[in-house]
Amino acid sequence: EVQLVESGGGLVQPGGSLRLSCAASGFSFSSYWMTLVRQAPGKGLAWVANINEDGFRTNYADSVKGRFTISRDNAKNSLYLQMNSLRAEDTAVYYCARDAGYGNSTHYYDAFDIWGQGTMVTVSA
Amino acid sequence: AIQMTQSPSSLSASVGDRVTITCRASQGIRNELAWYQQKPGKAPKLLISAASSLQSGVPSRFSGGGSGTDFTLTISSLQPEDFATYYCLQDSSYPRTFGQGTKVEIK
Repeated sequence: EVQLVESGGGLVQPGGSLRLSCAASGFSFSSYWMTLVRQAPGKGLAWVANINEDGFRTNYADSVKGRFTISRDNAKNSLYLQMNSLRAEDTAVYYCARDAGYGNSTHYYDAFDIWGQGTMVTVSA
Repeated sequence: AIQMTQSPSSLSASVGDRVTITCRASQGIRNELAWYQQKPGKAPKLLISAASSLQSGVPSRFSGGGSGTDFTLTISSLQPEDFATYYCLQDSSYPRTFGQGTKVEIK
């Protein structure tokens, strides 16, 4: 079965750190870009970051740049999000998603086709 | 960053109704847009990519259109399982940005 399972969420104080993990199974993890999306309680979806197949290319939302680091270990079929200097506004459910994108020489279309169940991060004193 | 604005923010409709949701980009993004459906407590589900390409397994009552700055998601005949929140997402440039969502409720 193709699936993504997140873990590592929890309660952390402002200024603290947390590391999220996303374990992939049922597909060739090393062949896909991976993406992280978050959703604050009662709010909409927000794109956080993505990483290419070999881990050497990453992109971040402005709100997390310099504080969060996305990485992957293809040998372990795992995606990671290291979150530092956490703020109350980082409180959200964090989802990892497989990007089964496609394209041509001019554009690559994202297609987040497999999602994890999400893990809750709460930043509060 | 490119801003994505959806309208309406919510709507009430009946089973069998035709429903159209609009997404407007703050600058031209060609056809570089996707649509997602999310039900309460669940992860989002991909419906459409490249503005109009239906994802495998998604019912044909869903369709997408538009290019440049204005896009639509249409449900031709609303079914009970379609009551959910819908989001557009631009993949034209980084950072990727979602619309604020459109909640489709039962009338």
